[in-house]
Amino acid sequence: QSVLTQPPSASGTPGQRVTISCSGSSSNIGSNTVNWYQQLPGTAPKLLIYSDNQRPSGVPDRFSGSKSGTSASLAISGLQSEDEADYYCVVWDDSLNGRVVFGGGTRLTVL
Amino acid sequence: EVQLVESGGGLVQPGGSLRLSCAASGFTFSTYAMNWVRQAPGKGLEWISYISGPSNTIYYADSVKGRFTISRDNAKNSLYLQMNGLRDEDTAVYYCARVWIAATTVDYWGQGTLVTVSS
Repeated sequence: QSVLTQPPSASGTPGQRVTISCSGSSSNIGSNTVNWYQQLPGTAPKLLIYSDNQRPSGVPDRFSGSKSGTSASLAISGLQSEDEADYYCVVWDDSLNGRVVFGGGTRLTVL
Repeated sequence: EVQLVESGGGLVQPGGSLRLSCAASGFTFSTYAMNWVRQAPGKGLEWISYISGPSNTIYYADSVKGRFTISRDNAKNSLYLQMNGLRDEDTAVYYCARVWIAATTVDYWGQGTLVTVSS
């Protein structure tokens, strides 16, 4: 069981806005920046958001990240069918000599 | 073009060993830290290990500490993962990944290599 808690599933219809949450603690989200990855079926993950709310080049501005306290969120606006994928939050955890921790992942279904 | 190509996966019995390799090209390998990340069948992503460019900083997940060893050969543009004492729960696709900015920020991933631990 991950130290970062994500809902196992989320869904929305095309055009909708969907939010995926990631809950942690003071040793991870509360003190370090959060990244988000998108993993399409059968492919390697792709960096979607880094440093809480920054988009790498090429990522549409439909994707946005935010953080408050020990929780972070990924928002996807104008939902499209190609957004159907697994989404993971990831952060550095300062406990136990430091480590990278992934959330359990959220499967997004576009209805 | 950045490319990361893993190799060395396969079927191994519990308690056995395997060495994964990752051949890097298209960038100055020695200046980038690298991660190994794995994904068990139908499961989520799990970070395994991190190594800095000059190999002077190394981290391991608790699940593999003492059994797995990460290393790199910058002259050969290669990353390695020596896996000993393999268990059923180590069955997964193993990805090598280039670190950007910080250990949690990966900008390029390999295609992955499947390791199956089974008798």
